[in-house]
Amino acid sequence: AQRVTQPEKLLSVFKGAPVELKCNYSYSGSPELFWYVQYSRQRLQLLLRHISRESIKGFTADLNKGETSFHLKKPFAQEEDSAMYYCALSGSSNSGYALNFGKGTSLLVTP
Amino acid sequence: KAGVTQTPRYLIKTRGQQVTLSCSPISGHRSVSWYQQTPGQGLQFLFEYFSETQRNKGNFPGRFSGRQFSNSRSEMNVSTLELGDSALYLCASSWGLARNTGELFFGEGSRLTVL
Repeated sequence: AQRVTQPEKLLSVFKGAPVELKCNYSYSGSPELFWYVQYSRQRLQLLLRHISRESIKGFTADLNKGETSFHLKKPFAQEEDSAMYYCALSGSSNSGYALNFGKGTSLLVTP
Repeated sequence: KAGVTQTPRYLIKTRGQQVTLSCSPISGHRSVSWYQQTPGQGLQFLFEYFSETQRNKGNFPGRFSGRQFSNSRSEMNVSTLELGDSALYLCASSWGLARNTGELFFGEGSRLTVL
């Protein structure tokens, strides 16, 4: 069975501080992992995917298969980063493929 | 391009009733996925439709069903509503199967309250 775990419901950091949003997964195959973000009063949207190895809005995420983690990092948090962040895994299960989401971490960046 | 449109945005039903929610995907997108979002369980995958066929299904009872039309618009239906069905139902579209594209475009959701 596949599972995505985001251990922190809420993460509060000061502006300019580094931020790391944790994501751990369990999956028997080769996972495809994503981070989605929902800003206040906006729709849920894709932030980045591990395959692209890209940096979006200063955020990066590295897939660590040994630790089964896909943590989201940013060296200097900005107030506009305050949002709900969801880690998601695309994989197969008994009922086919699905993009399964963690329960999310609310990031609050304070001045 | 217009985004994913869901109707109705809010609705209130009583136990035992049924409800139908509608989703219009982004023009050109052929896949529609449905999710149930609750504070306790987060986002849970219901099913995915592509080319009018259900391709993937989550772990929900048979009371939850859906369909997709030839214009890619999708509906989901919940019969014999229970209090626990109160949730935000999100629809998301993608140009191909979600597992291939990875990028879902979400609607604003339909908030269902069951009394």
